[in-house]
Formats: sequence, C-alpha cells, structure tokens
Amino acid sequence: NAGVMQNPRHLVRRRGQEARLRCSPMKGHSHVYWYRQLPEEGLKFMVYLQKENIIDESGMPKERFSAEFPKEGPSILRIQQVVRGDSAAYFCASSHSGAAGFFGPGTRLTVL
Amino acid sequence: QQQVKQSPQSLIVQKGGISIINCAYENTAFDYFPWYQQFPGKGPALLIAIRPDVSEKKEGRFTISFNKSAKQFSLHIMDSQPGDSATYFCAAGRLLGGSQGNLIFGKGTKLSVKP
Repeated sequence: NAGVMQNPRHLVRRRGQEARLRCSPMKGHSHVYWYRQLPEEGLKFMVYLQKENIIDESGMPKERFSAEFPKEGPSILRIQQVVRGDSAAYFCASSHSGAAGFFGPGTRLTVL
Repeated sequence: QQQVKQSPQSLIVQKGGISIINCAYENTAFDYFPWYQQFPGKGPALLIAIRPDVSEKKEGRFTISFNKSAKQFSLHIMDSQPGDSATYFCAAGRLLGGSQGNLIFGKGTKLSVKP
C-alpha cells in the first residue's frame, strides 16, 4: 500500500510563473489536506478537500492560490504568479476520515 | 485561541536519557492531539496521538501525557537513541464537527541525541 505521493519533489519557478503541485492520497483515503512549511517553522494549514469539494479553505491566501480534488486523479495545489515569499515546502496529507494522519514527502518550491 | 505553543525549541539528550517536549493549547474544542516526527527533507510522520478522554498513552518508548485542565500535553521519549534525532511537532485539532482535519501545529523541537 503506497503512502501519500507528491510530485514533483522539487520545483523551481521564476517570479510570475505558475506552480502546480500534485498529491495522490493513500488508497482508500478520500480526505486531502494541504499544509505549507516555511524554514524552521511548523506546518500551517491551507486547505481541506474531499472529492470534488472544498471543505475548509480558511488557511488559503485569498489571491493566487487555488486547490482542487477532482473525482478522478490527484489533488492539485495551484499557485499563480509566484513570488519569492511562496518559497516553502508544501505537504499533502490524507485520511479516510477525521484529522490528517499521513503526510507525503512534500514538494519543495523555490522561486527565483 | 488557535495557537499551539511548543517548548523547548531545541533539546540535546544523552543516549539512554529521557527526552521531554511540552505543548500547550488554547482552544478547549480541540479533541485530537497528535505528535509528528520529521527527518530533514522528509514529510512529518505520525508518531502517536491522544484523545482528551485519557491522561496517558504509551507506545513503545513513546508516551503522551495529557492534562486537560491545564490544557497541556507532552511527549516523553524513554531510552532516547541517536536514531531519534529529528524535529518533533505537536499538533491539535478537532475530529468531530467543525473544521475536521485542520490541525494546528507547534513550531517544532529539534532533538539531538548524543551517543
């Protein structure tokens, strides 16, 4: 049973470009959570999704950030017009119910 | 009300010693308190978790102590080993009702176990 998978593991973008981060939850899990981790900081909740629904996006910046979890395929976190402050590790977690239990290895985004 | 305060920021322990990390929360609606272990370049891994209906939970060398009235919980690592050297995060959230799954994390404790 594969764990939570994220790709790419490392992503480099120039300011103004778009970043797309993908997350495939563990088999049987229908709840996906995205967190952001800045260097030497804890994880900050961004968004909680179930299939085709955004349940809680209270941690998402109001502009440039969006997330989806379609009926088929991985969950996508999309960052438009990236800025240097978006450089961070982005982690996806999944569960079959309740709080996020299993985290993926993360995508480390670097904005030049 | 949404903060989780974690201490110490860093901890050095001799091999075989006890590592203790403390966390305090504010929101009394939280009912799920997990601890995560993170190695450099990796994602956090769930170590152990507790619900507020028990005061202690033990799994191997890892024990969570929970004090509901003080709104505090702690992680004890017995017989600490160099392989335990990692960053540890406490978190708090709600499993029932409200915003399920939204965990509030502490800022982490960097543990170093000296051989």
